[in-house]
Amino acid sequence: DTAVSQTPKYLVTQMGNDKSIKCEQNLGHDTMYWYKQDSKKFLKIMFSYNNKELIINETVPNRFSPKSPDKAHLNLHINSLELGDSAVYFCASSQEDLADTGELFFGEGSRLTVL
Amino acid sequence: GNSVTQMEGPVTLSEEAFLTINCTYTATGYPSLFWYVQYPGEGLQLLLKATKADDKGSNKGFEATYRKETTSFHLEKGSVQVSDSAVYFCAFRDDKIIFGKGTRLHILP
Repeated sequence: DTAVSQTPKYLVTQMGNDKSIKCEQNLGHDTMYWYKQDSKKFLKIMFSYNNKELIINETVPNRFSPKSPDKAHLNLHINSLELGDSAVYFCASSQEDLADTGELFFGEGSRLTVL
Repeated sequence: GNSVTQMEGPVTLSEEAFLTINCTYTATGYPSLFWYVQYPGEGLQLLLKATKADDKGSNKGFEATYRKETTSFHLEKGSVQVSDSAVYFCAFRDDKIIFGKGTRLHILP
């Protein structure tokens, strides 16, 4: 039973295409995130949702649109893909109502390659 | 602004060597501090954490102590193994979790 699962694991596509990555968590957490990891392993937060509401929206091109149909799912749709979008995208979740929390649970990542 | 600075890698050590990966942070207040580890081909997972000054987090032989006076949270292990080869991320929690740039660790047999 994978706690945070994301699909697809690998995605190779042409510039200009539109693609989606899906994420589901079965931990009962109320907050989910998308992170982008570049080739140097630098990890940057993109979005955060709490109970289906957007709470963090970093400086990300509006070609990226997250959607949270319910608190267990957070999908990422990317329009008009560019070469610079090539990266590994990680979904994560956490439970935010505990005083000493902060632990993030990550999926295994989705490696996107734009040709 | 708030940030985390950790030593640049890669760090290459022989098995059973002593490991230190330095981490300092800039933040308002006293945030919770974390070390995450990313094994090859996997997502990040929490290695250890400390939530207040002088707390020591420990797991799998790794330790880090929350030093308020030096705003540091250095990761240490007394005797590393080949299986410890991974990328290690220092992080702290402000209104969101902020990660350092990661330190790649190679352990040679």
